[in-house]
Amino acid sequence: LAKTTQPISMDSYEGQEVNITCSHNNIATNDYITWYQQFPSQGPRFIIQGYKTKVTNEVASLFIPADRKSSTLSLPRVSLSDTAVYYCLVGAHMEYGNKLVFGAGTILRVKS
Amino acid sequence: DGGITQSPKYLFRKEGQNVTLSCEQNLNHDAMYWYRQDPGQGLRLIYYSQIVNDFQKGDIAEGYSVSREKKESFPLTVTSAQKNPTAFYLCATALGTDNSPLHFGNGTRLTVT
Repeated sequence: LAKTTQPISMDSYEGQEVNITCSHNNIATNDYITWYQQFPSQGPRFIIQGYKTKVTNEVASLFIPADRKSSTLSLPRVSLSDTAVYYCLVGAHMEYGNKLVFGAGTILRVKS
Repeated sequence: DGGITQSPKYLFRKEGQNVTLSCEQNLNHDAMYWYRQDPGQGLRLIYYSQIVNDFQKGDIAEGYSVSREKKESFPLTVTSAQKNPTAFYLCATALGTDNSPLHFGNGTRLTVT
């Protein structure tokens, strides 16, 4: 299973763009990269997923270089409500028999 | 996530008692998971199941047991053998295809004294 490494925490201000990078040096061919957001006392929520290059949805963008050994979650113009823990998850259900393991996550604090 | 129901939200037990946490889903997802989260920590995988009547141990299965008799249900029993059972427990489901994301319930906070 690909192990992931993320910064423990990041601080930002409202209106700024935030980029959180995840390293996954031993990512496998069939692995997808998925990012989740978690608020206190709630379950994580899916944000975005990608396999290669760039993916964008209504809340974030995900940049994946050609070697796929890292990925960057980009949150445009963050607000106070984006303060949460962000997890990068690398894996594929069928490849590892559905064993999906989370890393430690990144605590994002957005200040006014 | 409205499609996954974990109950109860808070649970209190005395040490030495077994306790069962409920997880029900109406998403028709094949795969189901149980994670444990301790304060300030990430999620650790306890058990997972891909299909009915089949489940696999995760990284911290000792002291826990599960069953998957129905597609919709994946209850987790925290036994008296679990040395530090107080934690936040999260149930998740997924369609089961390679890139299907996880959908989480809102968790059960278990306190054992």
